[in-house]
Amino acid sequence: KAGVTQTPRYLIKTRGQQVTLSCSPISGHRSVSWYQQTPGQGLQFLFEYFSETQRNKGNFPGRFSGRQFSNSRSEMNVSTLELGDSALYLCASSPGGQGVHNEQFFGPGTRLTVL
Amino acid sequence: AQTVTQSQPEMSVQEAETVTLSCTYDTSESDYYLFWYKQPPSRQMILVIRQEAYKQQNATENRFSVNFQKAAKSFSLKISDSQLGDAAMYFCAYRSARSGGFKTIFGAGTRLFVKA
Repeated sequence: KAGVTQTPRYLIKTRGQQVTLSCSPISGHRSVSWYQQTPGQGLQFLFEYFSETQRNKGNFPGRFSGRQFSNSRSEMNVSTLELGDSALYLCASSPGGQGVHNEQFFGPGTRLTVL
Repeated sequence: AQTVTQSQPEMSVQEAETVTLSCTYDTSESDYYLFWYKQPPSRQMILVIRQEAYKQQNATENRFSVNFQKAAKSFSLKISDSQLGDAAMYFCAYRSARSGGFKTIFGAGTRLFVKA
């Protein structure tokens, strides 16, 4: 099976712009989670989508939003970019059920730089 | 709110030796899962080992094992016979078993260096 793919891998934007990141989960996986990774704050949970519905949400401002399509692909949008949004954005997919063996598989990430 | 603390920003180990990475967490829940993830330089994060809180027995995966102390809320990772390929950032993580989904809480990470 192909792994989790994220596009684009690298992105440079300027303050005030908006950006859309894409994540394609492993075939058959219904859950997609997004994380922001920065040197200062570490890995922080943004949100999780399951069957096109947001199932969990982290503590990020409303500028961060997401959605999931019927094929489980997910997009994350950040509006009105700020310098502090520069980060590695990781996507993780899983089958979506309960239990410790319902493992998350991570993508390579999208490196966003805001100038 | 749950928190995960890794107090060692960096650790170093000689090849073939054993190293232990520390992790403590705070939660009021009784049912949860704990994980150790590995993130090699410029490579994808992968799961190393997982532990269910209701299981007393410590998890083991080949050279990786954990010391899970539920009362102390401690979850350390032991790497035996360290190899050069073990060099990476290691993240301890917590996930509630009660709520659905994957709101995983990560620690700040420990960077492990392996010396030849």
